[in-house]
Amino acid sequence: DTGVSQNPRHKITKRGQNVTFRCDPISEHNRLYWYRQTLGQGPEFLTYFQNEAQLEKSRLLSDRFSAERPKGSFSTLEIQRTEQGDSAMYLCASSWETGADTQYFGPGTRLTVL
Amino acid sequence: AQSVSQHNHHVILSEAASLELGCNYSYGGTVNLFWYVQYPGQHLQLLLKYFSGDPLVKGIKGFEAEFIKSKFSFNLRKPSVQWSDTAEYFCAVNSNTGNQFYFGTGTSLTVIP
Repeated sequence: DTGVSQNPRHKITKRGQNVTFRCDPISEHNRLYWYRQTLGQGPEFLTYFQNEAQLEKSRLLSDRFSAERPKGSFSTLEIQRTEQGDSAMYLCASSWETGADTQYFGPGTRLTVL
Repeated sequence: AQSVSQHNHHVILSEAASLELGCNYSYGGTVNLFWYVQYPGQHLQLLLKYFSGDPLVKGIKGFEAEFIKSKFSFNLRKPSVQWSDTAEYFCAVNSNTGNQFYFGTGTSLTVIP
């Protein structure tokens, strides 16, 4: 068990560009979550997968954000036409089956939009 | 919508002092409650959680938390802190029927040797 990994760890991009982040969860975990965290705030829920199905999305997730989890393994989070307000740490977490199960977090991808 | 409030944003304690960090949530139904910790330079990790049973739960490193349903609270406690407890602490909640997790804004704890 190598834990949850995320790539890249850091991404600097210009406003208007598209970016894609990858998350590799713990292999036996069915659930995968994406969060966004800005300075001085706690993680903010973005979306969640149960296997390959995206079951819930935050109302805060604009149409520029899309996430996939093909085959129920790794997941990608894409942000199109990035804005300076998208600058944040993007966290991925995985867990077993239920909402009561412990989430294991990855190190995050820090996005800076210039 | 659910929300989580952590009233202490920054706490500074001397070693061996007792710790209590407040956490209140707003949701009328059955909830699962969590405390996560982030040590400097490390990932978020679970300290303890409550989902049913004994409202006093014990976690790693001597931490405990008590779920008081009537007060919508889940305060974190430790009788004697150590320098290594210096970290950011986050309270989180999700409903028993939902899948969204709501985190508080976090409390930064600094323990002075």
